[in-house]
Amino acid sequence: DGGITQSPKYLFRKEGQNVTLSCEQNLNHDAMYWYRQDPGQGLRLIYYSQIVNDFQKGDIAEGYSVSREKKESFPLTVTSAQKNPTAFYLCASSIGWTGGGEKLFFGSGTQLSVL
Amino acid sequence: QQQVKQSPQSLIVQKGGISIINCAYENTAFDYFPWYQQFPGKGPALLIAIRPDVSEKKEGRFTISFNKSAKQFSLHIMDSQPGDSATYFCAASRRTGNQFYFGTGTSLTVIP
Repeated sequence: DGGITQSPKYLFRKEGQNVTLSCEQNLNHDAMYWYRQDPGQGLRLIYYSQIVNDFQKGDIAEGYSVSREKKESFPLTVTSAQKNPTAFYLCASSIGWTGGGEKLFFGSGTQLSVL
Repeated sequence: QQQVKQSPQSLIVQKGGISIINCAYENTAFDYFPWYQQFPGKGPALLIAIRPDVSEKKEGRFTISFNKSAKQFSLHIMDSQPGDSATYFCAASRRTGNQFYFGTGTSLTVIP
């Protein structure tokens, strides 16, 4: 089955620690995205990538970093600079970047909590 | 600033009833309005979407009504079923833009 795989499903971060969330897709999509979901706040864009080796900051990029070395992979690192990392993180992809009007395919998410 | 405002935050409907969720936006450059459905512990999935050249789009029991002059759009779920119990997000984007703006979500519970 084609889709987006996020791992792990649950992740715990200690104070001052960097953690990396994995996102892999086998849909052959060019564009990939990371969203953060907090209760009552909807989905907020952290980073997006239109093509391999290129990525752009979204609305809440501070304290996060990404890489896009392969078309199918878009890992997100939550750094120690992110002071409030507890949230549900969603990875998504779309066929291509036309500036909107694209269907987003989401993974099942990673719940990150602080110890 | 919330680009897309969604209400209500939660909704309880009897089985067979009509569920209505409303969204409003400010940016008149938005030209694509999707609705996503999310079950607990899962990622959202596209349910239905509309472009502003039509006032209504229907897919099965789900209908989007769009009012361009009022900058509002709504999701209507007819004959609501317990399996429809989920969180629903509206969103908006523009053809020349670079991201989707999501509403804050509505938790729908359909009581048998």
